[in-house]
This record gives sequence, C-alpha cells and structure tokens, in this order.
Amino acid sequence: QKEVEQDPGPLSVPEGAIVSLNCTYSNSAFQYFMWYRQYSRKGPELLMYTYSSGNKEDGRFTAQVDKSSKYISLFIRDSQPSDSATYLCAMSGAVDKNFGNEKLTFGTGTRLTIIP
Amino acid sequence: GAGVSQTPSNKVTEKGKYVELRCDPISGHTALYWYRQSLGQGPEFLIYFQGTGAADDSGLPNDRFFAVRPEGSVSTLKIQRTERGDSAVYLCASSLIQAGITGELFFGEGSRLTVL
Repeated sequence: QKEVEQDPGPLSVPEGAIVSLNCTYSNSAFQYFMWYRQYSRKGPELLMYTYSSGNKEDGRFTAQVDKSSKYISLFIRDSQPSDSATYLCAMSGAVDKNFGNEKLTFGTGTRLTIIP
Repeated sequence: GAGVSQTPSNKVTEKGKYVELRCDPISGHTALYWYRQSLGQGPEFLIYFQGTGAADDSGLPNDRFFAVRPEGSVSTLKIQRTERGDSAVYLCASSLIQAGITGELFFGEGSRLTVL
C-alpha cells in the first residue's frame, strides 16, 4: 500500500463547476500538506500549503486537512479552462531546524480537464 | 537565475550508457532536491542536499545512481549502466530554508531521459 493514495482520474468538468480533489494517507507523522499543479511537460508549482488540520483559502482555491481521518482535499470554485492540469497532493513530516524540509511524498496526481 | 534550470531537457541514450543530468538552482537557495517522475505517477524522492552535503539519499534506487553538489550550487545526477527502467523525467527543485520553517520547493521543468 502506498503512503499517499490519490485517484488518478481523469476528471472532466464543465467551466464554472466546483472541483473536489482528494488524497488519503497512512503515515500519521505527516504534518505539512501541499497541493501542486503541474501543466504538461512542466515542473510542479505550489498552489496551497497547510500545516496540521484545518482549512485554508486562497482566491478560488480552498485546502482542507483532516488529520483524524488522514484525508486532505482541494476545492476549486468557478473552475476555468486554465485550471486544466494535473493536481498533485504532497506531504512531509517534521522539519529539522538545521536541515529544513524533509522529503515530500507525492500522490500519483489527478488529471483535470475543464471543458469550456 | 530566475528559476531552476535543468539540462538537457531531453536525453535519449542506449542501455548500458552513462548519463549526467545537471541542475542549476535559484541563486541563494541552500537546499536542492532530485525527484524522478515516471509516466502517470507523482514525483518520487531521490536525494536532498543542504549545502554541499547530501542530507538524505535514501531515495536513490541503487548504486548506479549518484549525485554531487561540490560547491553548494549546481548539482549533477549521474546514472551509470542505464537500464530501460530508468526512463523517466528527472526533476530538480530548490528551496530557501529559513529558521526551520518548511519552504516552498521550486521545481525545474525536468530532464526527460529515454533509455532505448
């Protein structure tokens, strides 16, 4: 079983719809949770970053973390064709103050297409 | 530079050959990471440098893989006796560690390796 599970999709929704993307994980040591967006033949770029449980909102994007259920979500409101990409969840454990980031563990990514 | 630069962008080689992939991180970033992304999968951690030293190389799959960062800036990932299973996109990322707070990873566009 993988440490991080993510439905690979593909997922197609009409423009303007609300999109819900999810990941589950098994490692209770994970404390930092991120969502990356990756366009075709490009590197991932950070969309949202949250620490521990709770919600975080940034424009049309909302990230939710439920550590008790080991479940994280990304919601996209008023989806646009430019949101078409692969969305990767990623997570890491405690940060060493001298060495900074621990390695990120990624999900497989969900390929999203917004239909105009 | 403005972003993380990786060369070559594409590399086609024959089974058994030696390959070097180069990463030039964002100026001033002390942390550098190598990830490998196979088709339809999320990035998989290979190795992490803090300065010149490898802080965590637990993701290197075997002793055919080696990475260096001799001056704490540019890094080279070296693959000996390449196998067809090494075919993937090799992603480099860098980040700026501040006071133990996990920092955003900035990814390059990757080096696409094809082993025939």
